[in-house]
Amino acid sequence: GAGVSQSPSNKVTEKGKDVELRCDPISGHTALYWYRQSLGQGLEFLIYFQGNSAPDKSGLPSDRFSAERTGGSVSTLTIQRTQQEDSAVYLCASSLDGRPRENEQFFGPGTRLTVL
Amino acid sequence: GDSVTQMEGPVTLSEEAFLTINCTYTATGYPSLFWYVQYPGEGLQLLLKATKADDKGSNKGFEATYRKETTSFHLEKGSVQVSDSAVYFCALRDRSNDYKLSFGAGTTVTVRA
Repeated sequence: GAGVSQSPSNKVTEKGKDVELRCDPISGHTALYWYRQSLGQGLEFLIYFQGNSAPDKSGLPSDRFSAERTGGSVSTLTIQRTQQEDSAVYLCASSLDGRPRENEQFFGPGTRLTVL
Repeated sequence: GDSVTQMEGPVTLSEEAFLTINCTYTATGYPSLFWYVQYPGEGLQLLLKATKADDKGSNKGFEATYRKETTSFHLEKGSVQVSDSAVYFCALRDRSNDYKLSFGAGTTVTVRA
């Protein structure tokens, strides 16, 4: 079956512009996660959705970052007034459920964001 | 907080060489441990996992053993192939936040023919 998909695959934007990144999880997966992979760093957790609710937004780096999920499916990560330090690969993952902890997270191919 | 430290790369090997990538962790309680792999142009994939002390995860010739006494989860493969060239990430999920993965910085491995 189809895996996690993300769009766009690449996004180049100018500093100060807003961007939206989209994630389509695997059908039937109730849990959805966003991570960020910055150059030279590991992946950092941004936000976790269970259904349409986000019990943990602790990883969002600033109030310029927000995310929503509708219909328990598609999620959008929005970055307002982008800055150069926002340049990174944004990864989305989904799993059958957020718990138990053994449930595998399946990752999408990522969106590479470049802020000029 | 939780953290994962893995050996820095890049690592370059010849085909059929032995590969070890060291990974140590800091966590409260007893986390589940994972190795993820990212092949060129592809998304992250789970390579193997271990959920309790002394468990050994294995897949595609790779192995890693959960060592509580040394808080380690080193990845090994006895004979690498060119197709093993990828970035490898060690990760954990702690009991207190059992949905969140904490990753190491990643190790780039290049295998030469």
